[in-house]
Amino acid sequence: AQTVTQSQPEMSVQEAETVTLSCTYDTSESNYYLFWYKQPPSRQMILVIRQEAYKQQNATENRFSVNFQKAAKSFSLKISDSQLGDTAMYFCAFMKHGGSRIDNYGGSQGNLIFGKGTKLSVKP
Amino acid sequence: DTEVTQTPKHLVMGMTNKKSLKCEQHMGHRAMYWYKQKAKKPPELMFVYSYEKLSINESVPSRFSPECPNSSLLNLHLHALQPEDSALYLCASSQIVGVGFYTEAFFGQGTRLTVV
Repeated sequence: AQTVTQSQPEMSVQEAETVTLSCTYDTSESNYYLFWYKQPPSRQMILVIRQEAYKQQNATENRFSVNFQKAAKSFSLKISDSQLGDTAMYFCAFMKHGGSRIDNYGGSQGNLIFGKGTKLSVKP
Repeated sequence: DTEVTQTPKHLVMGMTNKKSLKCEQHMGHRAMYWYKQKAKKPPELMFVYSYEKLSINESVPSRFSPECPNSSLLNLHLHALQPEDSALYLCASSQIVGVGFYTEAFFGQGTRLTVV
């Protein structure tokens, strides 16, 4: 079974500064995706960034970047130039990728396994 | 259009009521999901539909009954719920690009359900 651990329940950062959110995971799978989703008070879960496990290069999306350490099973999110709109709950998530070619036994169904979340507050 | 639409946004129901939550997507995705999220907790998977067929039921009580009438719609029928079923119910969809290969999930805004 896969597990995702976020060890920082809450964090705060000043506007325009940089913050890093931590995530570790445990899996015996070799093929998987990792994601960071944000959930602002509006409740909608929004995809921030994704990382394919087979890619060594760290993913980047504008002010958001990840530090993916596959051997250490670590997947941290760095937010640069923090903005007030970044205030949200951030969830790290794991998704198995692939499966048996014969009726997909044991294969992925696209379901996500989430960490407990980190509540990020950006202060003016 | 990268939108998943859920209705209603809020629902209050009694323990003897029957109600339905609706979810719609027009991204051509062939996988759809129901997640349940309690306050200050991560979402927990309830059901997965792949190609309009139920592929995962995470031991959800029978008072929750999912339905996928077509590839764009997903319903969750509710009957005889308990107060502990009060939660945010999130719908999501993703594309299937091969056997066991799914893309990232897009979520709706959720339905805030209160059972009284």
